[in-house]
Amino acid sequence: EVQLVQSGAEVKKPGESLRISCKGSGYSFTSYWISWVRQMPGKGLEWMGRIDPSDSYTNYSPSFQGHVTISADKSISTAYLQWSSLKASDTAMYYCARVRGSTSCYAGCWFDPWGQGTLVTVSS
Amino acid sequence: DIQMTQSPSSLSASVGDRVTITCQASQDISNYLNWYQQKPGKAPKLLIYDASNLETGVPSRFSGSGSGTDFTFTISSLQPEDIATYYCQQYDNLQFTFGPGTKVDIK
Repeated sequence: EVQLVQSGAEVKKPGESLRISCKGSGYSFTSYWISWVRQMPGKGLEWMGRIDPSDSYTNYSPSFQGHVTISADKSISTAYLQWSSLKASDTAMYYCARVRGSTSCYAGCWFDPWGQGTLVTVSS
Repeated sequence: DIQMTQSPSSLSASVGDRVTITCQASQDISNYLNWYQQKPGKAPKLLIYDASNLETGVPSRFSGSGSGTDFTFTISSLQPEDIATYYCQQYDNLQFTFGPGTKVDIK
């Protein structure tokens, strides 16, 4: 079974750093991109960025560029989302998702499956 | 960047009703449009990819159509378990964009 399992909920203070993880299993981890998606409380889905685990190439939504870092360790089939200095406005549910579709998405891509989500709460 | 709109933002229908949601892209995206279902407290789930392809295991009452800038998602006979928010999503030039979502509940 193809699965993405995310790390557990986090409670942090403003200014602290954080790294959350997403471990893939049941498929070749380096054959599919991994994306991260934010969902703020009561709001919709926002794509943050993606990584190609085979070479760690990343690209980000302009809304998140410079605010977060996406990385991956292909030796343990795990992708990461990292903040160096959290803000209260980073409070949200964060999902990872495998990117499926045409090679390099030249003819469309979609997200399947999704991880279960990691709730990040930032509060003083 | 391509912007996505969805309508309506919410709807209430009876069990057995036909439900239709529309999604519009700000420019031509061919058929590169996908639909997801998110039930309360759960991760999103892929239902339809490339505008009209039903993901394996998804009930046939769900369907999608359209190309270019205008797309439609249909539930042919609404069931109680279909209570959820539905999102469209497109990919273009290394950027993914979701629509704002349509919340569906039972009347």
